[in-house]
Amino acid sequence: NAGVTQTPKFQVLKTGQSMTLQCAQDMNHEYMSWYRQDPGMGLRLIHYSVGAGITDQGEVPNGYNVSRSTTEDFPLRLLSAAPSQTSVYFCASSALSRGLGNTIYFGEGSWLTVV
Amino acid sequence: AQSVTQLDSQVPVFEEAPVELRCNYSSSVSVYLFWYVQYPNQGLQLLLKYLSGSTLVKGINGFEAEFNKSQTSFHLRKPSVHISDTAEYFCAVSDPGGSEKLVFGKGTKLTVNP
Repeated sequence: NAGVTQTPKFQVLKTGQSMTLQCAQDMNHEYMSWYRQDPGMGLRLIHYSVGAGITDQGEVPNGYNVSRSTTEDFPLRLLSAAPSQTSVYFCASSALSRGLGNTIYFGEGSWLTVV
Repeated sequence: AQSVTQLDSQVPVFEEAPVELRCNYSSSVSVYLFWYVQYPNQGLQLLLKYLSGSTLVKGINGFEAEFNKSQTSFHLRKPSVHISDTAEYFCAVSDPGGSEKLVFGKGTKLTVNP
């Protein structure tokens, strides 16, 4: 009963380093997305995907890359980490709702600190 | 563009007291509305959602919310809270045509004291 799985849970990076946050879901969901959560800011959408090979930008995409080669996986890449990217990152997935308002499922989060 | 305002950043209450967490939204089109709960160091879990129909929506853990179109509000209520309800609560809105893309409020931290 895995749902949405994120790795790693905690990571410390030095400024300028690169890394990838992994996200996998086992519910055969077409839609996947990445949010970042900052104190007092709520969650803000970084990138999203409506299916394999299709990605698009959200509200705060700068500094992040994504790709979607399979339905199950949606990795988030930081090419050159900056202290402003210190945050908690959440991956989410859902079936495409087509107006039905399907439930969105969230992973447990990845805590990233950039020093 | 859609936006969500959660009017209180922190709400302290005593156990067994009623609570209301306020949420107002701004949108030029019809919307879907959601409340999510986040327990410490965990992901978000859906409490309830309004898509259409009855304006009073019941969710999990005894929570309910009322959609008020004229006041563009979707306040969350519980008649009697427990210590275990201590968490952060997020109101979110989406466009029915693209309802996977949620716009979140900044959150309300509910603290239930004994």
